[in-house]
Amino acid sequence: EAGVTQFPSHSVIEKGQTVTLRCDPISGHDNLYWYRRVMGKEIKFLLHFVKESKQDESGMPNNRFLAERTGGTYSTLKVQPAELEDSGVYFCASSQQTTGELFFGEGSRLTVL
Amino acid sequence: GENVEQHPSTLSVQEGDSAVIKCTYSDSASNYFPWYKQELGKRPQLIIDIRSNVGEKKDQRIAVTLNKTAKHFSLHITETQPEDSAVYFCAANGGSARQLTFGSGTQLTVLP
Repeated sequence: EAGVTQFPSHSVIEKGQTVTLRCDPISGHDNLYWYRRVMGKEIKFLLHFVKESKQDESGMPNNRFLAERTGGTYSTLKVQPAELEDSGVYFCASSQQTTGELFFGEGSRLTVL
Repeated sequence: GENVEQHPSTLSVQEGDSAVIKCTYSDSASNYFPWYKQELGKRPQLIIDIRSNVGEKKDQRIAVTLNKTAKHFSLHITETQPEDSAVYFCAANGGSARQLTFGSGTQLTVLP
């Protein structure tokens, strides 16, 4: 069974540019989460989808971040325009149940110059 | 919301020694406490978890203890091996939305 896959693995962009990260969860997992780890700090929650609906987006930093999950399958996280403080590793995770084990992707490392 | 504090941030032990990582949480309603291991360049993976109805859980060389009164839980690794070297994250599911809140991670290095 394929795990959670994320693309790209690494993206380097300049301040003000746009980046779109993609996550393909494990097939059949209704719950999809985005997390971010900045500069060796905690893995911080961004938002949670249940199927195509945003269950909780309280962790989204500001309106420069837009997440979508059309059709309840893969998800995208767009940062527009990117700022220096957006640099970090963006993790996607999925789970069958809300309180169950999270299966993480390998992360997308974003570097904003 | 939930706040999870994790200590130490770095830990070096000799192969064969034990390692202990400690976490505290703020929301007394938290009832699920997983531990994730992230090896260099790889994805975080669940290694053990505990629910609030038990005080201790063990899986081979790994154990987790939970003190609900004090709101802290710990990861214990015995007979450490070089392959245990990784970043370890604790988490708790407190807060109104019950999402997992992670600690800041512990870089464990097992010296041969």
